[in-house]
Amino acid sequence: GESVGLHLPTLSVQEGDNSIINCAYSNSASDYFIWYKQESGKGPQFIIDIRSNMDKRQGQRVTVLLNKTVKHLSLQIAATQPGDSAVYFCAENLGGGFKTIFGAGTRLFVKA
Amino acid sequence: EAQVTQNPRYLITVTGKKLTVTCSQNMNHEYMSWYRQDPGLGLRQIYYSMNVEVTDKGDVPEGYKVSRKEKRNFPLILESPSPNQTSLYFCASRAGGALDTEAFFGQGTRLTVV
Repeated sequence: GESVGLHLPTLSVQEGDNSIINCAYSNSASDYFIWYKQESGKGPQFIIDIRSNMDKRQGQRVTVLLNKTVKHLSLQIAATQPGDSAVYFCAENLGGGFKTIFGAGTRLFVKA
Repeated sequence: EAQVTQNPRYLITVTGKKLTVTCSQNMNHEYMSWYRQDPGLGLRQIYYSMNVEVTDKGDVPEGYKVSRKEKRNFPLILESPSPNQTSLYFCASRAGGALDTEAFFGQGTRLTVV
């Protein structure tokens, strides 16, 4: 598969544990945030999103937290599974939702 | 099946030889975008299009052109490719209107310019 990042921060967790991936975003005017998962050889895949007027949103096994005061976003994955191993990117939208800025990504490695 | 299709998946070319990477989506999405992905830099937006005949620059537009003559297609054109355009390219689309509509990405095009 394609290498998407040779020098990414890496988080290694045991299967079944919870994972927390953090992201600092750059623009205080950003009004929409998204987490993407990218597996080797594939394009990014939407996981969960949150608007700037919220501070928490939950999906299936995933939760996104937004702290606008410090411009911080986190992704929590409950009961992490081997299939969760991938690179995770946060992204912020600004300019009416047309301009998107991605973070550098974090590689999640799940140990069976 | 809803999808974004890029072609080719892999391309090796020489400096200065014009090339086009095609992108097509079957979801009737208004918004399409091109990104390049380089190690340690994440994805950077090259160009985006809000609808037919409406395009604008992203963060790294130099050396690229796009066109949006039809809603489903958004080709990326490199008039005179250079080695620093060697990268992994992704096309994405999403529905317009609401801010928070899910973006769908293609499988990527690995371009090498020698």
